[in-house]
This record gives sequence, C-alpha cells and structure tokens, in this order.
Amino acid sequence: AQTVTQSQPEMSVQEAETVTLSCTYDTSESDYYLFWYKQPPSRQMILVIRQEAYKQQNATENRFSVNFQKAAKSFSLKISDSQLGDAAMYFCAYRSRPTDSWGKLQFGAGTQVVVTP
Amino acid sequence: EADIYQTPRYLVIGTGKKITLECSQTMGHDKMYWYQQDPGMELHLIHYSYGVNSTEKGDLSSESTVSRIRTEHFPLTLESARPSHTSQYLCASSISESYGYTFGSGTRLTVV
Repeated sequence: AQTVTQSQPEMSVQEAETVTLSCTYDTSESDYYLFWYKQPPSRQMILVIRQEAYKQQNATENRFSVNFQKAAKSFSLKISDSQLGDAAMYFCAYRSRPTDSWGKLQFGAGTQVVVTP
Repeated sequence: EADIYQTPRYLVIGTGKKITLECSQTMGHDKMYWYQQDPGMELHLIHYSYGVNSTEKGDLSSESTVSRIRTEHFPLTLESARPSHTSQYLCASSISESYGYTFGSGTRLTVV
C-alpha cells in the first residue's frame, strides 16, 4: 500500500515571504496522481494543485507551485508571497491511476501553516 | 460554492442514539467517500462507493454503515452513538482518478 509522509507538523511564514512544505511518498507504481489540499479552520477542504506523474513539468497555480521529483518520490509545495488567507492545514495526497484502486486518495498527516503579519 | 452538501454542520447527541449524517452532491459523480478526521487532523477512510448499490468499508474500521440508493446521496448511519464516535466526518466525491475529490464542509459530531 502507498504511504504519504509529511514530516513538518507546522510551518510558520511571514506575510509576503515564501514557505515550502515537504511531502514524500512510497509507491511501486509508475503512473499516479499527486495533490495538495488546503483546509482552513472550520472550513471546507479545497484542492490547491495537482500533478500527473507522467508529466515532467511541475504544476503551477498562481502563487502555488510544486517541485515534483519522481525518482526521489518527493512532492513539495511552495507558497510564494504568503497571505494571511493561506493559513490552514495542508494535506498532501496520492492517488493510483489504475481503476481497480477505486480511486481512493491516500493522505499525509498534514502540515499546519501559520502566517504572521 | 460547494457542490457537495453535508448536514448537519454540527451535532451534539447523547450516547445510544441513532444518527444519520447526510451527504448529497449535485455533480453526478459516481465515486463517493466518507472520511473520519481525528483531533490531530489525520484523515481516515471509513467508507466508499463506486456507484449505486455499491459500498465498501475503508481502511479504518468503523461501526457506522452507509447506503447508496441514489447517485447523489450517500448517508452515513450510526445505530448507537458512543463518545468514541466523537469526530469530524468529511464526505467527498470524485468523477475520475485524474481528478481529486470535492469535499463537503463536514459534520462535527460530539457524543456525550
């Protein structure tokens, strides 16, 4: 079974600065999907960014970008120009491509991002 | 704007009561999931469904049950609530493997 590891329980960043969240995963598959989700306090979990393993190019969504290192099984998230609204719990997630996996997402334990003025 | 709805948002209930947590989505997604989120915020899959009349237990053993009679509806039931069931329950749906989940806002359950 795949496992997803987020080794940073909490990260603190000042407004306008950059923070990088780490995520590693363990898999024997060659084709899969990776995601970062954001869960603000008492609010809905939303998708931040997704990466397809067969694509070499790192995904980018506005101030959010990933560094996908397939050989190292690493999938870090960089938040640039941090804003107070970025404060949330961030989850890294893995999803197999084969349909017999029922499309289940495997989540990491989460990293709490604290943004200070 | 959420396309997946969970009710109630908060629930405090006594031990031994039967409860049903509602989850509905308007996107026509076949795949739906229930996660339990513990106080440490970790997410544990407790049930999932591939479509109508298809349900499976997840990775975390749960005393709850689910049903999927209609595509849009995936309720979770606890026949006899206990304090150990106190948690946040998140419902999600998905259209395909290449996409992630769409989550509901969650139900925060407290059993006293």
